[in-house]
Amino acid sequence: AQSVTQLDSHVSVSEGTPVLLRCNYSSSYSPSLFWYVQHPNKGLQLLLKYTSAATLVKGINGFEAEFKKSETSFHLTKPSAHMSDAAEYFCVVSGASNYQLIWGAGTKLIIKP
Amino acid sequence: DGGITQSPKYLFRKEGQNVTLSCEQNLNHDAMYWYRQDPGQGLRLIYYSQIVNDFQKGDIAEGYSVSREKKESFPLTVTSAQKNPTAFYLCASRVGYAGELFFGEGSRLTVL
Repeated sequence: AQSVTQLDSHVSVSEGTPVLLRCNYSSSYSPSLFWYVQHPNKGLQLLLKYTSAATLVKGINGFEAEFKKSETSFHLTKPSAHMSDAAEYFCVVSGASNYQLIWGAGTKLIIKP
Repeated sequence: DGGITQSPKYLFRKEGQNVTLSCEQNLNHDAMYWYRQDPGQGLRLIYYSQIVNDFQKGDIAEGYSVSREKKESFPLTVTSAQKNPTAFYLCASRVGYAGELFFGEGSRLTVL
């Protein structure tokens, strides 16, 4: 069975410092992986996706993620946090049925001025 | 501009009433989804549809119904059988089984 675990429910960083949001997954085959961002009371926007091409994936707004098969991880990073990055972030893995997706519980990113 | 439109953005319902949330997309996507989001939780799948006139139950389909009569439309009805309907509802579409989801802005339903 497929599963995804976001290791932190909240992450707090100071503006200008690096961001690390952690995601581990479980899959019996080579999955597709996604990171989405949600600002309060809004829909979700795709940050980046991994679909078995390059293991280092660059996304929008300076975010990137690295697919590490040996560690079953897909952590999201950004070198320097901005106040506008404050939001909730979701890690998603494709399910056994390709039309279904398995969602992590989300990580709330807090940016301190 | 292509995208997904959900309406209404806010909806209030009295107990015992059915309500229908609209979702329309002009992205020409085959697959459409309805999710429910509660505070502090991830997204939970209610229903999804891969093609017109076909849909499948997700993890929490009880108390909900859908239809898919047109490719661009996937309305969700929250029935009186749904015991705790107050939530944020998100509609999404997808171009294929490996593609990403595109989301609407969501509909917030409150039961009075």
